[in-house]
Amino acid sequence: AQRVTQPEKLLSVFKGAPVELKCNYSYSGSPELFWYVQYSRQRLQLLLRHISRESIKGFTADLNKGETSFHLKKPFAQEEDSAMYYCAPPNRDDKIIFGKGTRLHILP
Amino acid sequence: EPEVTQTPSHQVTQMGQEVILRCVPISNHLYFYWYRQILGQKVEFLVSFYNNEISEKSEIFDDQFSVERPDGSNFTLKIRSTKLEDSAMYFCASRGDREQYFGPGTRLTVT
Repeated sequence: AQRVTQPEKLLSVFKGAPVELKCNYSYSGSPELFWYVQYSRQRLQLLLRHISRESIKGFTADLNKGETSFHLKKPFAQEEDSAMYYCAPPNRDDKIIFGKGTRLHILP
Repeated sequence: EPEVTQTPSHQVTQMGQEVILRCVPISNHLYFYWYRQILGQKVEFLVSFYNNEISEKSEIFDDQFSVERPDGSNFTLKIRSTKLEDSAMYFCASRGDREQYFGPGTRLTVT
């Protein structure tokens, strides 16, 4: 069964410091993972999908099959990065199963 | 850029009353979803809908819930007899080719 875990409920980082939001997966077959973000009072939106290998708002995420991880990283945190972040498996079975997410709090 | 819209943004209702939450998906999308998020908890899948029928539903989506696409644009979630524990944010989503796009949510408060 596919499963992702985000071990941190809350992550506080100073502005300008590097950010790493952890996501580990347990999968059979080839995983395909996404990061979703929910800014305060805004809708859930897709941030990154691993197959695109793109950088959005300075964030990147690399699939590490050896460590079964898909950590979200940004070299220099900005105050506007404060939000809830969800690592999620793909639209397999045509639904998104969200984990508990990690709240990122950027300190001034 | 087209967006999923939801109305109302906030609905207050008394326990036992029926509520209908409305969503307008992105116009060329064919797959539709409802999720909910109880305050302080994670976002949970409720139901998916395609070709005018339910594709999948979760354990939460019991007989009190129903979905409908009454016309070419709206997608509704009905709760027949609301309970206190139905208080939550309800998110609609629609999908075209691959990615699900979420609406801003309706906050349902059951008193």
